[in-house]
Amino acid sequence: TQLLEQSPQFLSIQEGENLTVYCNSSSVFSSLQWYRQEPGEGPVLLVTVVTGGEVKKLKRLTFQFGDARKDSSLHITAAQPGDTGLYLCAGASDDMRFGAGTRLTVKP
Amino acid sequence: EPEVTQTPSHQVTQMGQEVILRCVPISNHLYFYWYRQILGQKVEFLVSFYNNEISEKSEIFDDQFSVERPDGSNFTLKIRSTKLEDSAMYFCASRPTGYTEAFFGQGTRLTVV
Repeated sequence: TQLLEQSPQFLSIQEGENLTVYCNSSSVFSSLQWYRQEPGEGPVLLVTVVTGGEVKKLKRLTFQFGDARKDSSLHITAAQPGDTGLYLCAGASDDMRFGAGTRLTVKP
Repeated sequence: EPEVTQTPSHQVTQMGQEVILRCVPISNHLYFYWYRQILGQKVEFLVSFYNNEISEKSEIFDDQFSVERPDGSNFTLKIRSTKLEDSAMYFCASRPTGYTEAFFGQGTRLTVV
């Protein structure tokens, strides 16, 4: 079983601030996914990173895959209240397990 | 755009009753999953299913749970005798191949009373 640790667990910031959340493991992944989940809904895929060192941008969101493909980060620039949600990472493997998530609250 | 669909969206059942949660994965996907999320907690892996058999299951997936793909379209999760602690959101997911991203349904909220 590959364990993923996400940090911080909770993050509350003001609109306009920047933030970074982390996803770490001792295991190497062939790819890693980031999802966002809103209350009462299923996780929605944001991005997949595949290559070590890869950086992907999705508007104000920047995702990076570590060189060793064991960790990843998500950076949000100028956070908005609409970014509020639970951010989950998952390492691609047979059973695709999730980290515990980072619960982000962006206050107006 | 293809999506994973789950029914019902909400199920209330009496303790000790059997429930079946239904999922229609994206067609041509080959890997299927069930996850559970107790309110406010993490998304927990239950089981993965490939080639008409369970490929992995977690410690949560005990003898009270079973999965089936009865007709090549539906993917079901059965809980034989529900307990209060089975109350949670249950999510189904599918992937086209292994080691790729998974797509999730909107979930079934199971309430055991």
